[in-house]
Amino acid sequence: AQTVTQSQPEMSVQEAETVTLSCTYDTSESDYYLFWYKQPPSRQMILVIRQEAYKQQNATENRFSVNFQKAAKSFSLKISDSQLGDAAMYFCAYNQGGSEKLVFGKGTKLTVNP
Amino acid sequence: EPEVTQTPSHQVTQMGQEVILRCVPISNHLYFYWYRQILGQKVEFLVSFYNNEISEKSEIFDDQFSVERPDGSNFTLKIRSTKLEDSAMYFCASQAGYSNQPQHFGDGTRLSIL
Repeated sequence: AQTVTQSQPEMSVQEAETVTLSCTYDTSESDYYLFWYKQPPSRQMILVIRQEAYKQQNATENRFSVNFQKAAKSFSLKISDSQLGDAAMYFCAYNQGGSEKLVFGKGTKLTVNP
Repeated sequence: EPEVTQTPSHQVTQMGQEVILRCVPISNHLYFYWYRQILGQKVEFLVSFYNNEISEKSEIFDDQFSVERPDGSNFTLKIRSTKLEDSAMYFCASQAGYSNQPQHFGDGTRLSIL
């Protein structure tokens, strides 16, 4: 079974600085998708960024980018120029091609200090 | 922007009672999901629903659980004879198409079994 591991239960960053959240996953499949979701205190999970495994280029969405290392099964999220509104739980998630379910990590709580 | 809405936000129920959690997915979406998150644990997949039938379910989704899309807009999760260990946040999600489309989550329903 696929598993997703987020080794950092909590992280903190100073406003305007850069932070990287780690995620590793275990799979024997070659066709899959990876996601980072953000869950602010208001509770709704919001998609931050996604990566298709067949794409070598790292996905980028404004201040959010990923470092996708397929061989190492690593999918870290970099947040540049951190803002107070970035404070949230961040979940890494895996979706295998041909399946519909998302497999989540335990999450990383990000605190942004002013 | 369209959202997935869930009601109620908090449900308190006596053990052994039936509970129905309600979700209104985004209107043009085709795939619907329920996940749960026990306090302090990972978000776990329960079930996916497509074309008016269950398309995938986890081992958690036993005979105690059922899902229904009774009127083409609502998507419900019914838990018969609730147990203490059913206490969790329950998230509904919907998806426009298949794997490469993101799942959009609701705010969740906090279910407390007494």
